[in-house]
Amino acid sequence: DVKVTQSSRYLVKRTGEKVFLECVQDMDHENMFWYRQDPGLGLRLIYFSYDVKMKEKGDIPEGYSVSREKKERFSLILESASTNQTSMYLCASSPSRGMNTEAFFGQGTRLTVV
Amino acid sequence: AQKVTQAQTEISVVEKEDVTLDCVYETRDTTYYLFWYKQPPSGELVFLIRRNSFDEQNEISGRYSWNFQKSTSSFNFTITASQVVDSAVYFCALSEAYRAAGNKLTFGGGTRVLVKP
Repeated sequence: DVKVTQSSRYLVKRTGEKVFLECVQDMDHENMFWYRQDPGLGLRLIYFSYDVKMKEKGDIPEGYSVSREKKERFSLILESASTNQTSMYLCASSPSRGMNTEAFFGQGTRLTVV
Repeated sequence: AQKVTQAQTEISVVEKEDVTLDCVYETRDTTYYLFWYKQPPSGELVFLIRRNSFDEQNEISGRYSWNFQKSTSSFNFTITASQVVDSAVYFCALSEAYRAAGNKLTFGGGTRVLVKP
């Protein structure tokens, strides 16, 4: 089974802290994604990566950065956490076979910034 | 720009009732894929179905069925004889090709289904 693992289920951080959310997948997928989930807004794409060291901005990249040094790992970084970044963060991966492949999701990290 | 709209934010039914979730999408692409995902209380999104834009056949999988109508840009999902375990948030999504490598998904806002015993 494909497994996408996010390092934490729950995190509480203080305003201004630098926050790292880690995601690891074990299926050798080329593509990895970070989404943010908020009630009524669904999932919105923050950043994605289609190869090691490659990254592209999604729909809401402001206040975030990412790192992909190894194929299996994709990190989301909040440079200076703010309360409006309190949300559920979901990581996903998919193989590079075009549009017809579903993405596989991690269990999510619920981040609270106080 | 692509857009997916799930007009129903929450639906509450009694067990064994049927429930239909609406999904309307917008895209300028002629080739695209549509997906449904289920998010149970545990949080992880579970893939349910994928449908490409050239295949308008309805599909049935157990108690689940999907009705794709390109003419109305809709991809609706029906749960027949609902069960308590169907309680979850359901997301409709549309994929967009990116450089022929992989896909980005545009999600609707989700519909929370509550099935009461």
